[in-house]
Formats: sequence, structure tokens, C-alpha cells
Amino acid sequence: DIQMTQTPSSMPASLGERVTISCRASQGISNYLNWYQQKPDGTIKPLIYYTSNLQSGVPSRFSGSGSGTDYSLTISSLEPEDFAMYYCQQYDSSPPWTFGGGTKLELK
Amino acid sequence: QVKLLQSGAELVKPGASVKLSCKTSGFTFSTSYMSWLKQVPGPSIEWIGWIYAGDGGTNYNQKFKGKATLTVDKSSSTAYMDLSSLTSEDAAVYFCARGVTTFDYWGQGVMVTVSS
Repeated sequence: DIQMTQTPSSMPASLGERVTISCRASQGISNYLNWYQQKPDGTIKPLIYYTSNLQSGVPSRFSGSGSGTDYSLTISSLEPEDFAMYYCQQYDSSPPWTFGGGTKLELK
Repeated sequence: QVKLLQSGAELVKPGASVKLSCKTSGFTFSTSYMSWLKQVPGPSIEWIGWIYAGDGGTNYNQKFKGKATLTVDKSSSTAYMDLSSLTSEDAAVYFCARGVTTFDYWGQGVMVTVSS
């Protein structure tokens, strides 16, 4: 199975700050990489699919990039509602699809 | 709008089985793929498998073969997951989600507690 390593596991940040979360795959995943946000109440929302495509309704302050084994999610200017957990997920070639361990974005 | 409504929290005894439901609305269920995922504190999310509502075809994570069984009822646009021979390792929050590789809508999750 492809292992996904997310860093950092937690990140204190301030409103208006630009932050980047990283995700590294144990082998190349050909940009088959999604990002999700989980709010404290447990609800999960998709943010980005295929590395850099914003899901419908996702604010433009979110962006994704990467290639090969290394990918990142950037929030250009943190809003109060962005403090949450973030997960990357790969879906390259064949199942099982696997997730990163998550990054908790906390208010500094 | 698209909704995935999961059944309520479950408290089950070790060795027992449980059937979780995911009632959908707002999209054409009969031509959709539904996936199930497991989240344990850590935190960590694991993909269990998917089912195609059209013909009931399934694909399971090898880790969950024999543990999870996915079914659908097209008449009620509901997806189900049976979990068998429950142990403490199965205690988790389980989510249903629409999609096979990219999950664009998620249920609210259901907590399964395994305790005697």
C-alpha cells in the first residue's frame, strides 16, 4: 500500500497568515491526490481534487500543487472557519486508497 | 441538495455484528458509487471499500475483506455496511461517502463502540 506522510501534524497559525501543509507519498502517485477538511464537529468536506482543482464552492484562498511524491495545500490568508483538520488522500493506480495522518490547524 | 444521512451511534458487544445505514437524497443513487471509510483516533482515515449501486458490484480494501460487507437498496437510495465479529479494533467512526476515488459528499459519521 502507498503510505502518505503529512507534515506538520499540527500547526499553530494566526488569522490572515499564509500556511502550507505538505503530503509525501511513499511512491509517485501521478497527481492523483485529493485534500479534505474536517471540522471539529466531525463533518468532512472535499477541498481539492487531482492535486490542484478546487471543488465547487471552495474559496479561492485554497490552492494545491505538487507532483511525483510531494504535494502541498496552501491557504493564502487564514479565515476563522479554516481552523480544522486537513487530510490528503491518494488514489493512484489501484486500491486501497490511503490517507495522510492529518494536520490540525490551530489558532495561535 | 445532496444529503447522506447515517444511522445513529451503535453500542455492540464483542463478537456481535452491526449494520450501518446511509440514506441518500438529491442525486441519482442508482448510477452512483458509494464508499465507506473508517476513522480512528490518531487520527487516521482508512478506505474500506466501494459499491456501485447500479449492479451491487464491490471493491474492498484487502484489510477489510471478511469484516465488512457492502450492500445497497436502490428502492430507498440507501447504502449499508455490515460489520461482523466485532472486536475493540473495530471501534471507530464510520463514514459513508459518494464516489470511488474522490469523495465529494460525506455522511455525518456514526460512532461504533464495542463493549460488553
